[in-house]
Amino acid sequence: QQQVKQSPQSLIVQKGGISIINCAYENTAFDYFPWYQQFPGKGPALLIAIRPDVSEKKEGRFTISFNKSAKQFSLHIMDSQPGDSATYFCAASINYGGATNKLIFGTGTLLAVQP
Amino acid sequence: EPEVTQTPSHQVTQMGQEVILRCVPISNHLYFYWYRQILGQKVEFLVSFYNNEISEKSEIFDDQFSVERPDGSNFTLKIRSTKLEDSAMYFCATWDRVNEQFFGPGTRLTVL
Repeated sequence: QQQVKQSPQSLIVQKGGISIINCAYENTAFDYFPWYQQFPGKGPALLIAIRPDVSEKKEGRFTISFNKSAKQFSLHIMDSQPGDSATYFCAASINYGGATNKLIFGTGTLLAVQP
Repeated sequence: EPEVTQTPSHQVTQMGQEVILRCVPISNHLYFYWYRQILGQKVEFLVSFYNNEISEKSEIFDDQFSVERPDGSNFTLKIRSTKLEDSAMYFCATWDRVNEQFFGPGTRLTVL
């Protein structure tokens, strides 16, 4: 029940295209859903995050869509650029109620944007 | 911009040896974490630390692992007797209970 399932494992997109990565969870107590971007040899860096009281959040070219009833959320990268080539991890945590806010990560998606 | 720092960036050790990985958290953060990432795999939670004690640990965090905040600034992860399967990237993260968790750049541990 603590798992977060992520797909696809890898994704190749042409420059200017839309990259879509999907995640699903089971634990309805999760109340914080971040996406992290990781470049080789670096630590994960927060890209965008959403809480379950909204269905969509947009920051620049990055959008999270959240479907609470389906327990799914997805990352959309519009106008994908070669510099977006990285590994993307979805995650989930329980932020409130005295919880420790440990992050449960998905398995990652390796995105390659071809010029 | 505030950042979490970690030392060393790469540690090579022999199986059975003790290693200490160090992290300097962001100054006003009170929640500290260690995560592990085996090469090519997902990031896994190891332990969370708050108010000078462990608040939660995963099943990976067995008796060979320990954490402490020895001097009020550093946050350390000790592995008492390393095994080959401990080879991984170890990330420290910190949180102020308001914003995101900030991750450090990681320590690559190689156990030979």
